[in-house]
Amino acid sequence: AQTVTQSQPEMSVQEAETVTLSCTYDTSESNYYLFWYKQPPSRQMILVIRQEAYKQQNATENRFSVNFQKAAKSFSLKISDSQLGDTAMYFCAFMKLYTGNQFYFGTGTSLTVIP
Amino acid sequence: NAGVTQTPKFQVLKTGQSMTLQCAQDMNHEYMSWYRQDPGMGLRLIHYSVGAGITDQGEVPNGYNVSRSTTEDFPLRLLSAAPSQTSVYFCASSRDRATNEKLFFGSGTQLSVL
Repeated sequence: AQTVTQSQPEMSVQEAETVTLSCTYDTSESNYYLFWYKQPPSRQMILVIRQEAYKQQNATENRFSVNFQKAAKSFSLKISDSQLGDTAMYFCAFMKLYTGNQFYFGTGTSLTVIP
Repeated sequence: NAGVTQTPKFQVLKTGQSMTLQCAQDMNHEYMSWYRQDPGMGLRLIHYSVGAGITDQGEVPNGYNVSRSTTEDFPLRLLSAAPSQTSVYFCASSRDRATNEKLFFGSGTQLSVL
């Protein structure tokens, strides 16, 4: 079974500053995907960034980037130039290849951006 | 451009009542699934389907039934609701085995069982 651990239930950051959210996972699989999803108060789940395990290069999407350490099974999310709209719950998720939509989610980190 | 549509958005049930949460997608996605979200526990997979006529259990299937008679629809049935089923329910879909890397989520159903 796969497990995903987010050890920071709550975090806060000043507007325009940088914050890093942590995620570790446990799996015996060698090929998989990792994701960060954002859930604002509207409850909608929004994909932030995705990383394929076979790619060594860390994924980036504008102000969002990841630090993927496969050997350590670590997948942290860095948000640069934090904006008020980044206030949300952030979920780390794991998916085995070729299993469709069997995702395993962490318990989430509630991020507050302070003006 | 509807995407994944869930109904209802809110529902209150009494213990022992039955109901069906509806989920429909208009993207011709093969894969569909149901998750429940509870405080402090993230999202957990209830049931999933890899195509019409094919369903399987996820992490927390007890108390729920599903069927997939068409590609578009994937309803979740609670046969006898219990307070432990109070949760937010999300339906999700993704395209196919070759490009199954992204989940499209519905907007969720907040269910309270009294």
